[in-house]
Amino acid sequence: SQQGEEDPQALSIQEGENATMNCSYKTSINNLQWYRQNSGRGLVHLILIRSNEREKHSGRLRVTLDTSKKSSSLLITASRAADTASYFCATDGFNSGGSNYKLTFGKGTLLTVNP
Amino acid sequence: GAGVSQSPRYKVAKRGQDVALRCDPISGHVSLFWYQQALGQGPEFLTYFQNEAQLDKSGLPSDRFFAERPEGSVSTLKIQRTQQEDSAVYLCASSLGGQAYSNQPQHFGDGTRLSIL
Repeated sequence: SQQGEEDPQALSIQEGENATMNCSYKTSINNLQWYRQNSGRGLVHLILIRSNEREKHSGRLRVTLDTSKKSSSLLITASRAADTASYFCATDGFNSGGSNYKLTFGKGTLLTVNP
Repeated sequence: GAGVSQSPRYKVAKRGQDVALRCDPISGHVSLFWYQQALGQGPEFLTYFQNEAQLDKSGLPSDRFFAERPEGSVSTLKIQRTQQEDSAVYLCASSLGGQAYSNQPQHFGDGTRLSIL
């Protein structure tokens, strides 16, 4: 079953614009991670935010976490054609009976950045 | 540097055949995970190893699925008597620490795309 649900399912923007993707989840978590997947490839880890953090930055990425609303957002600023990929949020923690290693992924947002 | 390597990249099998998928994790990584990814979906957890011990196999869909990591490095996912619904991408991931270390990214291979005819 999918713990996280990304929104929107697909997003198409022009190069240079910002892209915002959202993720909602159902149960308590230890951490939330965002991954990118290029077509036909494996997932690449982007950023991890802990449950006691509210915002985190990494280069052109900004992630927020609102545990009261069980939601997170990923912002990619000044997007590039190379950012075209699917983006997934993944949660771990209490949803797995206490196990803290098991990641549960959403269905992903397909981002297309047009040159 | 060397990442997670999976082989074969593509596998076509007839319904009823057995298949074996291989994963070479990053050297020294304690944790190893297998996921199944259907088209247009996110990865779904299958099983977890800490070194050679299979600590969680709760995601394996049926007893036709079997995974092993006998020496705590390379892992093999075996599917017996394959069925069409087994068609998916099978992803392997590894991370440095054991289950006590939750704040760690997982490093993924490019997967094996399995097609059952």
